[in-house]
Amino acid sequence: QKEVEQNSGPLSVPEGAIASLNCTYSDRGSQSFFWYRQYSGKSPELIMSIYSNGDKEDGRFTAQLNKASQYVSLLIRDSQPSDSATYLCAVIPNAGNNRKLIWGLGTSLAVNP
Amino acid sequence: EAQVTQNPRYLITVTGKKLTVTCSQNMNHEYMSWYRQDPGLGLRQIYYSMNVEVTDKGDVPEGYKVSRKEKRNFPLILESPSPNQTSLYFCASSYSGNQPQHFGDGTRLSIL
Repeated sequence: QKEVEQNSGPLSVPEGAIASLNCTYSDRGSQSFFWYRQYSGKSPELIMSIYSNGDKEDGRFTAQLNKASQYVSLLIRDSQPSDSATYLCAVIPNAGNNRKLIWGLGTSLAVNP
Repeated sequence: EAQVTQNPRYLITVTGKKLTVTCSQNMNHEYMSWYRQDPGLGLRQIYYSMNVEVTDKGDVPEGYKVSRKEKRNFPLILESPSPNQTSLYFCASSYSGNQPQHFGDGTRLSIL
């Protein structure tokens, strides 16, 4: 079982809709969770971090964390074509040393005008 | 402007010819790291550094060397490159913790 799993997609949504990206993780003791966005041919950029159960909002982005169910989600409201990218979920597991990130393989999002 | 600068952006070279990819950050960040990104394998950490003269292995350190003689610079050295090191490489930095906040633009490396 992969430690951090994401549906590879592509997830296709119409412009203006809510895009919902999901990520599950295997280490129940994980404490820190991150979402990165990566445009094709570009480097990843950190867009959200979340550490506590519940929702964290930043502009059109909302990260949702449910530690009991071991998933973290990213919602993008009012999706725009410029949101089309691959979204990477990354988790710091409780086990292991040096708090290294465990990365998912990413979900490709396509927002259609 | 906050930046992580890596050079070169593209490099095609041959097996066994030593090469260095440079990385520099202007944010006075403590942590710096190197990743490679391969299709189907995602991002994998090669090495990271918590401060000057302090480095540690990531998940795939074999065939790579790093050094951190100055806080701003963290070069990646391939002493004897092999074709399986053909990949897209990213340098990254963060103020604290081994979770990258800023990435460089990437270096696409092809080893023939």
